[in-house]
Amino acid sequence: GAVVSQHPSWVICKSGTSVKIECRSLDFQATTMFWYRQFPKQSLMLMATSNEGSKATYEQGVEKDKFLINHASLTLSTLTVTSAHPEDSSFYICSARRQGASEQYFGPGTRLTVT
Amino acid sequence: TQLLEQSPQFLSIQEGENLTVYCNSSSVFSSLQWYRQEPGEGPVLLVTVVTGGEVKKLKRLTFQFGDARKDSSLHITAAQPGDTGLYLCAGANYQGGKLIFGQGTELSVKP
Repeated sequence: GAVVSQHPSWVICKSGTSVKIECRSLDFQATTMFWYRQFPKQSLMLMATSNEGSKATYEQGVEKDKFLINHASLTLSTLTVTSAHPEDSSFYICSARRQGASEQYFGPGTRLTVT
Repeated sequence: TQLLEQSPQFLSIQEGENLTVYCNSSSVFSSLQWYRQEPGEGPVLLVTVVTGGEVKKLKRLTFQFGDARKDSSLHITAAQPGDTGLYLCAGANYQGGKLIFGQGTELSVKP
């Protein structure tokens, strides 16, 4: 298999607080993990690429100080949304990729609502 | 910048009809994946095509990779309500392993 989990599946937080989302590859080692954001009825928008043990690479327009990514092990990456605002409300999805492979396996997503 | 143009973006058909979704690019991809996503869930990988001209079948779904590896199509035969969902094509970039996603096709199959 190639199972990726995300936690939490949904979270509601108040404006100004920080939220951490975890992404885990359950049955394989993921040298690379990706974080996406998705708006309703739209495709996925890549936010950043995370390689184990190194700094994440952020896509143009994504604030690295606001969306903190840590990939501390081959099975875990975290995304922390700092000082969240209502406009950060979205569906966040992670994916994981084995070394040398092209396929990405996606987590079930996290619905973030900032009030 | 590599782009994948996916069409149509919306498709509403009756059960039993056939349909084709297209993904086109001016760039060459090392491989191309097709995903299906249901509301509130993450995309699920359906297939990966890597060789120009390759055809893969998954029950009633037929996937084809263009000879030049710049385009792909997904054909569904005798669509069923259970096929309803968002279909995404994604090309693997040569550099860095990023996936370039198409805009998605929202398919609705009515009974």
